[in-house]
Amino acid sequence: AQSVTQLGSHVSVSEGALVLLRCNYSSSVPPYLFWYVQYPNQGLQLLLKYTTGATLVKGINGFEAEFKKSETSFHLTKPSAHMSDAAEYFCAVTPWSASKIIFGSGTRLSIRP
Amino acid sequence: DTAVSQTPKYLVTQMGNDKSIKCEQNLGHDTMYWYKQDSKKFLKIMFSYNNKELIINETVPNRFSPKSPDKAHLNLHINSLELGDSAVYFCASSQLGLAEFTDTQYFGPGTRLTVL
Repeated sequence: AQSVTQLGSHVSVSEGALVLLRCNYSSSVPPYLFWYVQYPNQGLQLLLKYTTGATLVKGINGFEAEFKKSETSFHLTKPSAHMSDAAEYFCAVTPWSASKIIFGSGTRLSIRP
Repeated sequence: DTAVSQTPKYLVTQMGNDKSIKCEQNLGHDTMYWYKQDSKKFLKIMFSYNNKELIINETVPNRFSPKSPDKAHLNLHINSLELGDSAVYFCASSQLGLAEFTDTQYFGPGTRLTVL
């Protein structure tokens, strides 16, 4: 069975500071991993995804995430936060052999001026 | 140009009514999904259709009935609406390709359902 745990339902950082959103997964088969972002009153938008190959994945808006199999983690980072990054972020996992995506509970990112 | 569209965007109705939400995708994908997002932002899959066939059916009351007239459409009909059905419902689509199975899902803007 697959599951996703996002540590911290709310993260607040200052503009220009490092953003770190944590995600740990559990999967009995090689996982595909995703980060989605949801801006207020909008649908989810794919930020980045890991399937196979390079474990450091770069996404849109300057975000990146690193797949660490030994730690079963897929943390999302951005070197310098911008006010426009304020949103809800969802980590998700799917085993490569299935169509079902399991989402984490989400982390709300707030940016302080 | 909208990839995944849903109508209506907002739906306010009384308990006991029957309502439908429509979803259309123009991405040429073969798989479509319905998700429910509750007030705490938790996203849970409800149904998935691949080439008009139901492939995922989570534990959802049978008052919810999805219908896929073709690959580009997946509608959600809800009978006898209850207060607990109030949520945001998202439609999504993806392509379950064989060569590179990535299952990236593209989401619609959501339908906010409020049951009074």
